Amino acid sequence: QVQLQESGPGLVKPSETLSLTCSVSGYSISSGYFWGWIRQPPGKGLEWVGSIAHNGATYYNPSLKSRVTLSGDTSKNHFSLKLTFVTAADTAVYFCASSGNIDEKALDYWGQGTLVTVSS
Amino acid sequence: QSVLTQPPSASGTPGQMVTISCSGSSSNIGSNYVYWYQQLPGTAPKLLIYRNNQRPSGVPDRFSGSKSGTSASLAISGLRSEDEADYYCAGWDDSLSGYVFGTGTKVTVL
Repeated sequence: QVQLQESGPGLVKPSETLSLTCSVSGYSISSGYFWGWIRQPPGKGLEWVGSIAHNGATYYNPSLKSRVTLSGDTSKNHFSLKLTFVTAADTAVYFCASSGNIDEKALDYWGQGTLVTVSS
Repeated sequence: QSVLTQPPSASGTPGQMVTISCSGSSSNIGSNYVYWYQQLPGTAPKLLIYRNNQRPSGVPDRFSGSKSGTSASLAISGLRSEDEADYYCAGWDDSLSGYVFGTGTKVTVL
């Protein structure tokens, strides 16, 4: 059973960089699957941020591509999100999730989510 | 500004059937699989349907998905109080080269 857990600062100042990590247990991120981030502003819908494949290939939401970097650390079995130059519009619950177990794009394992607030 | 449009709300009484629509285009639903997620209040989304109409292990057969052209639907039969949640369609968009979610539908059990 794959388990994911997000971690990182809950408060980030405007114009700074948001950094989150998703720790994975029950499966090696280098063995397969896609590992991604999805965010949800308070009271709003879901937005895909991006995904990183087990081979390191990355896929980003075009609207965020200029500010997003995803990376993986196989030694720690976790993957990370960096979002630069944040504004209040980036305030959201950030979920990490995986796909590829039953279908390449079916997000079937999710973390519980972590709220990141952008405020001075 | 999602490219997948859903009605904001749907409702029904216990035992009834509720259907949620998801409208897209040729670059997303028209050429790729559709996925459905259920998000109970305060929790992470859960995969309900994959590849248009397939249920992951453990998802009751009260939930069913279908797709026709550039639209898709999720049907919930035998509505139960625990089905009260937000539901999102999703899929890959070839034009955007990205994964897109629908606008979301809040289902209320009256």
